Amino acid sequence: GQQLNQSPQSMFIQEGEDVSMNCTSSSIFNTWLWYKQDPGEGPVLLIALYKAGELTSNGRLTAQFGITRKDSFLNISASIPSDVGIYFCAGRTSGTYKYIFGTGTRLKVLA
Amino acid sequence: GAVVSQHPSRVICKSGTSVKIECRSLDFQATTMFWYRQFPKQSLMLMATSNEGSKATYEQGVEKDKFLINHASLTLSTLTVTSAHPEDSSFYICSARLISGRAYEQYFGPGTRLTVT
Repeated sequence: GQQLNQSPQSMFIQEGEDVSMNCTSSSIFNTWLWYKQDPGEGPVLLIALYKAGELTSNGRLTAQFGITRKDSFLNISASIPSDVGIYFCAGRTSGTYKYIFGTGTRLKVLA
Repeated sequence: GAVVSQHPSRVICKSGTSVKIECRSLDFQATTMFWYRQFPKQSLMLMATSNEGSKATYEQGVEKDKFLINHASLTLSTLTVTSAHPEDSSFYICSARLISGRAYEQYFGPGTRLTVT
């Protein structure tokens, strides 16, 4: 099925560093969701975005709905070891209830 | 709130047998649930959309006679893998759609690891 492009595919960072990742699409979306998945678990919803330009935070996480409505960004500040996991974006276009999932960004934090 | 459970979390079955996986929304009603399959180090691939009281909608390439879906109530959807084969071994994850105003969010279950021997 269709997927969104996430970048970077994977990243190693030092504990305490800030992390940025993004998701891009050729389609215009009405909603963006960001999830985190730990090994052997289901994805957990982190942040939901509903309007172009919207900036929403959840603790050390901040996500933005791109102005063009074709992209979204997730930032993690002052990373800690438990931030390790795979981060997925998901987007939904107008007129559908299905979300399209990104390819994932695998984050590894070096203590 | 918005908790989704799955049962079992792990199952091992012999080739040729059938396996049923349950997905429940614990604290909200879900007219729509989704079933995904995930291979190691890959993203989530939507298999089918489960609608309460009606037939499931399958994605292209997914065999509906092999992956039977029943959404009998507003809080329960089941996926039955019939005549399982080793290539059906995978991580199966369900999600439930939560509608709040004009917002649609999806909440996932913890997943079921299926191993077919």
